[in-house]
Amino acid sequence: DTGVSQDPRHKITKRGQNVTFRCDPISEHNRLYWYRQTLGQGPEFLTYFQNEAQLEKSRLLSDRFSAERPKGSFSTLEIQRTEQGDSAMYLCASSLLGPGGAKNIQYFGAGTRLSVL
Amino acid sequence: DAKTTQPTSMDCAEGRAANLPCNHSTISGNEYVYWYRQIHSQGPQYIIHGLKNNETNEMASLIITEDRKSSTLILPHATLRDTAVYYCIVRAGGTSYGKLTFGQGTILTVHP
Repeated sequence: DTGVSQDPRHKITKRGQNVTFRCDPISEHNRLYWYRQTLGQGPEFLTYFQNEAQLEKSRLLSDRFSAERPKGSFSTLEIQRTEQGDSAMYLCASSLLGPGGAKNIQYFGAGTRLSVL
Repeated sequence: DAKTTQPTSMDCAEGRAANLPCNHSTISGNEYVYWYRQIHSQGPQYIIHGLKNNETNEMASLIITEDRKSSTLILPHATLRDTAVYYCIVRAGGTSYGKLTFGQGTILTVHP
């Protein structure tokens, strides 16, 4: 399978614990995005990388959230001191930025569902 | 990015064409229309995008009005597996634009 891969698919944690999610993008895709989706809502943008540089962060990304893409390949999203409000689906997407940007099509993984008890 | 308006839900009979409308009256000249769909418990799936010309691919057709203030996604022969939430998104082209801004989308239910 050469699509976007996310691990784990499901995570249950207790309030106050730290969690880390991993995303492996489509090979050679230079952009990687993180989104969060709560029940009944569309995905909300969190942050994105071009290669290893983090180019934009949403206001949704509080100080407890940190994302990295150290070698420009896979990425991790860490949530420290989880709260019940962090319960959501965390989606990763990747794209290959070409000339002009219009065909910067984002392909999504299946997501990591986080439940904070 | 321009705001989009979509009906909350639509129904379609299996085998018939599904026509999903989207209003984007504040779209600007460099903004593209993208369509994604999300089947339950899966990540969003890219369907099609366009600037001003009509577009067709193996999944769907995209019809954009001449003034670009609205568009219609057409699934020519809907199947039960097309039941999903369909998102219409407007986003500028250019390398400086990254994120997609999703709205609530249209819940399409295809009936046998």
